[in-house]
Order: sequence, then structure tokens, then C-alpha cells
Amino acid sequence: GIQVEQSPPDLILQEGANSTLRCNFSDSVNNLQWFHQNPWGQLINLFYIPSGTKQNGRLSATTVATERYSLLYISSSQTTDSGVYFCAVGPGNQFYFGTGTSLTVIP
Amino acid sequence: ETGVTQSPTHLIKTRGQQVTLRCSSQSGHNTVSWYQQALGQGPQFIFQYYREEENGRGNFPPRFSGLQFPNYSSELNVNALELDDSALYLCASSSRGSPGDTQYFGPGTRLTVL
Repeated sequence: GIQVEQSPPDLILQEGANSTLRCNFSDSVNNLQWFHQNPWGQLINLFYIPSGTKQNGRLSATTVATERYSLLYISSSQTTDSGVYFCAVGPGNQFYFGTGTSLTVIP
Repeated sequence: ETGVTQSPTHLIKTRGQQVTLRCSSQSGHNTVSWYQQALGQGPQFIFQYYREEENGRGNFPPRFSGLQFPNYSSELNVNALELDDSALYLCASSSRGSPGDTQYFGPGTRLTVL
């Protein structure tokens, strides 16, 4: 199957700081999504971004499909941004997930 | 529009028993996928159902089986439970053909096998 690596594995930020999360994947994909898992386990879809750049408020994402990586940017972080961020890729909608980046935002 | 719901929220079983987990998909969605998430890991794809037929399966043994009903709700059955089956089980619904087949996840069922 497709290998998905995410970095860094853990990140601690002061409220208001910016961060960049990275996702590398081992094969060509036509589906890439970023998810946020809150402390209660709920997975929320952030972006569908198999290529290009998208922005949604303080979050933005860029995928360079030819180089097999994607970046998630979080600006002006807030405590509610805490949780685990997952990159999921697929040849379709049967996803391979990375091991995630655990983000803690402290006030 | 109702979201994805799962039941039960928590479950404790003993090794060798059988378990059934349930998922109600989001209104208008015809595809349900099931994932297993072990502690500290990313979710792993178990299988997917589209219009009541299995439509893809991950690397899980046959004792993991499923069903999808005409209303697109779904069940995950696990026979002969093993200790390693302890995990958070997530279901996700989507509408085939929507952009990226965006997956909407339920809150999960946390299964503990003793």
C-alpha cells in the first residue's frame, strides 16, 4: 500500500504562533485530504487537496503532487486547534492515513 | 441534515466473543467506510460498502465482516475477538461522485477486548 509519513510527530506552540505540518507519500494519488482529530476522537475534514493550494480562514494547504508532498499551514494558532492532524491519501476514497502530527497549543 | 452516528460509544468484550458495531450514514450518502484506529496510530481502512455491496477491503482477516442496509446504514461484525482488536472503530460516509468523495466521520466506537 501507499506509505504516508507526517512530520513533525509532536508540536507544542504558544497561542498566536504559526506552524507548518508536512505529509509525504510514496506513490501517485488522486485524492488527498487533511483531517483534524479532536481530543474526543472526532475526525473533521479540513481540506480536499490532491493538488494546488486552498485556504480556509487561518488554515491553508498546498499539495505538490509531482513531488508527492502536502503542507498544512496553521496561522495565529488557538487552543482549540489542539489535537492530531492527519493526512490521508488514496487512489480513490479508501484512504491510507499517516501517523499524524499531535499539536498542543498552550495559552 | 443529520451527521454520521455510531453505536455504541464504548464496549467491553472478552477474547473469543463476537461484536457488532453500527453506523448511520449522513443523509444522502450512499457509501460507508470502516476504519480501525489503534492507540497512537492513524486509522486503517477495513472495508467499504457502496449500495449494499462490498467495494474494497483492506488488510483485515475474514473474521471482520460487514453489511450495508437499503437505508445505507451499516454494521461491522468482528468474530473471535483478539486482544489486538482493542481500538477505536470509525465509520465514514460519503456520496460517490462528490468532490474528493469527502469523508464525514462518526464519533467512533471504542472497543476494549479483555
